[in-house]
Amino acid sequence: ETGVTQTPRHLVMGMTNKKSLKCEQHLGHNAMYWYKQSAKKPLELMFVYSLEERVENNSVPSRFSPECPNSSHLFLHLHTLQPEDSALYLCASSPGVGAYEQYFGPGTRLTVT
Amino acid sequence: KQEVTQIPAALSVPEGENLVLNCSFTDSAIYNLQWFRQDPGKGLTSLLLIQSSQREQTSGRLNASLDKSSGRSTLYIAASQPGDSATYLCAADSAGNKLTFGGGTRVLVKP
Repeated sequence: ETGVTQTPRHLVMGMTNKKSLKCEQHLGHNAMYWYKQSAKKPLELMFVYSLEERVENNSVPSRFSPECPNSSHLFLHLHTLQPEDSALYLCASSPGVGAYEQYFGPGTRLTVT
Repeated sequence: KQEVTQIPAALSVPEGENLVLNCSFTDSAIYNLQWFRQDPGKGLTSLLLIQSSQREQTSGRLNASLDKSSGRSTLYIAASQPGDSATYLCAADSAGNKLTFGGGTRVLVKP
């Protein structure tokens, strides 16, 4: 595997379910990011991790819970989501937290029913 | 608060024509500006990154310019091809790790 991978690619869940999105980067980077892309809205930054520490939480509701166990893996735990949370969730990584180029994964298409 | 705008939202050109995509941002205190390509339902592919001290960057048929004083960046794609059809996104980095994205320009290159 190369670059940034995300699993699953598609996910359908009910509002009472608990699920997790996984991101893995194979680039030796130290910073990882979660973004949300909703229909007809610009991409929004959700969380930033640097060396497994969260350095940015962009006013995201607590029903989204990130976890970064090491610099190669990033999870987004989901619980009691709303239909308006349906979106494409994108993970990215960069060499560090700073003005570096970010590399994106293919995304997880989430549908909340 | 940084705001990034891309106009037009959609663009259709015949194959071979040059493409000009516009991006404007409200806060000129940026670290860099990045251009991405997104195919339908897919992730983002980085095209060019222009540091705040640079005026332009080039990669093959792509050229991006940056004018911080006017809050503008332009992406030029020479001799467009049907494979260039995608959505192009620009993003301004105002905090060293926080990208603010525009809404994108959806491009269709007709054979």
